[in-house]
Amino acid sequence: QKEVEQDPGPLSVPEGAIVSLNCTYSNSAFQYFMWYRQYSRKGPELLMYTYSSGNKEDGRFTAQVDKSSKYISLFIRDSQPSDSATYLCAPRDNFNKFYFGSGTKLNVKP
Amino acid sequence: DVKVTQSSRYLVKRTGEKVFLECVQDMDHENMFWYRQDPGLGLRLIYFSYDVKMKEKGDIPEGYSVSREKKERFSLILESASTNQTSMYLCASSLAQNQPQHFGDGTRLSIL
Repeated sequence: QKEVEQDPGPLSVPEGAIVSLNCTYSNSAFQYFMWYRQYSRKGPELLMYTYSSGNKEDGRFTAQVDKSSKYISLFIRDSQPSDSATYLCAPRDNFNKFYFGSGTKLNVKP
Repeated sequence: DVKVTQSSRYLVKRTGEKVFLECVQDMDHENMFWYRQDPGLGLRLIYFSYDVKMKEKGDIPEGYSVSREKKERFSLILESASTNQTSMYLCASSLAQNQPQHFGDGTRLSIL
């Protein structure tokens, strides 16, 4: 079993839709959770990060962690074509090792 | 903003060649990392370094080595390139071990 699982997609939505991107993980010791966005032919860029359980909001983006279910979500409100990218979740363990999911590809159609 | 620069965006080499991939960061970060990214496999850690002249093996170090002679520069070396090393290579840096990593734009390496 992989440490971090993501549906590869692609997920296609119309402009303005609310998008939900999800990860599941297996290590209950993960405490710190990051989301990266990767545009085609570019490196991943840090989008947001959060500690432990709960929600964190940044503009149109909300990161949610449910540690009891080992489930991480990223919500995008009012999605834009410029949000079209691959989204990687990356939890960190107690030894400061980061585990990257293989990413979910999102297409936002105008 | 952190700037991580990888010297080549695209590289084509032949099997058996010794290949050097260079990475430079401009934010005085202590930590630097090399990953490869393959479809369906995500990012896999090859090597990392927490200080100058220091290196640690990641999850898939076989066939690779690294060099960190200066704080800002971290080089990945393919000792004898093979076709299964065709991949996207990503360099990253971080201020501290527990902080998020910042990535370069990658080098797409093809071994023929």
